[in-house]
Amino acid sequence: AQTVTQSQPEMSVQEAETVTLSCTYDTSENNYYLFWYKQPPSRQMILVIRQEAYKQQNATENRFSVNFQKAAKSFSLKISDSQLGDTAMYFCAWFSGGSNYKLTFGKGTLLTVNP
Amino acid sequence: NAGVTQTPKFQVLKTGQSMTLQCAQDMNHEYMSWYRQDPGMGLRLIHYSVGAGITDQGEVPNGYNVSRSTTEDFPLRLLSAAPSQTSVYFCASSAPGQGKRDGYTFGSGTRLTVV
Repeated sequence: AQTVTQSQPEMSVQEAETVTLSCTYDTSENNYYLFWYKQPPSRQMILVIRQEAYKQQNATENRFSVNFQKAAKSFSLKISDSQLGDTAMYFCAWFSGGSNYKLTFGKGTLLTVNP
Repeated sequence: NAGVTQTPKFQVLKTGQSMTLQCAQDMNHEYMSWYRQDPGMGLRLIHYSVGAGITDQGEVPNGYNVSRSTTEDFPLRLLSAAPSQTSVYFCASSAPGQGKRDGYTFGSGTRLTVV
């Protein structure tokens, strides 16, 4: 079974600084997709960034970027110029490119951005 | 567009009571799923459906029933509520091929407390 591990239950960062959230996963598949979701106190699940496993280039979305290391099965999220609105729970998730339609989530990292 | 609508947003049940959490989407998505979110556990898949009339169990199905009589609706039934079912429940949906591009579209969640 696929597993997703987020080893940092909680992290904090000062406003305007950079923070990296870690995620590792375990799969025997070669075709899959990885996601980072943000869940602010409103509880809404918001897609932050996605990465296709067959692409070597790391995905970026404005202040958010990933470091995807396929051989190491690592998928970390870097947030640059952290803002107070980035305070949220962040979930790493794995999705099979085959017939499996299920998102598998990590346990989450609670990020607090301090003023 | 309403997206994925979950009702109710909050519910308190007594042990042994039954209830149905409603989920409706207006995007004609074939794939729908129910997740539960517990502190320190991330989101875990309860049941999912790949189309009307087709459902299957996820990681934590015990104590829950689902049916999918229409494309739009995917209700989750608690047969006899237990305190262990106290959680936040999310419904999510996607179209074929969309999941790998955009992840899932999530509802805003139902916070259920069983006393």
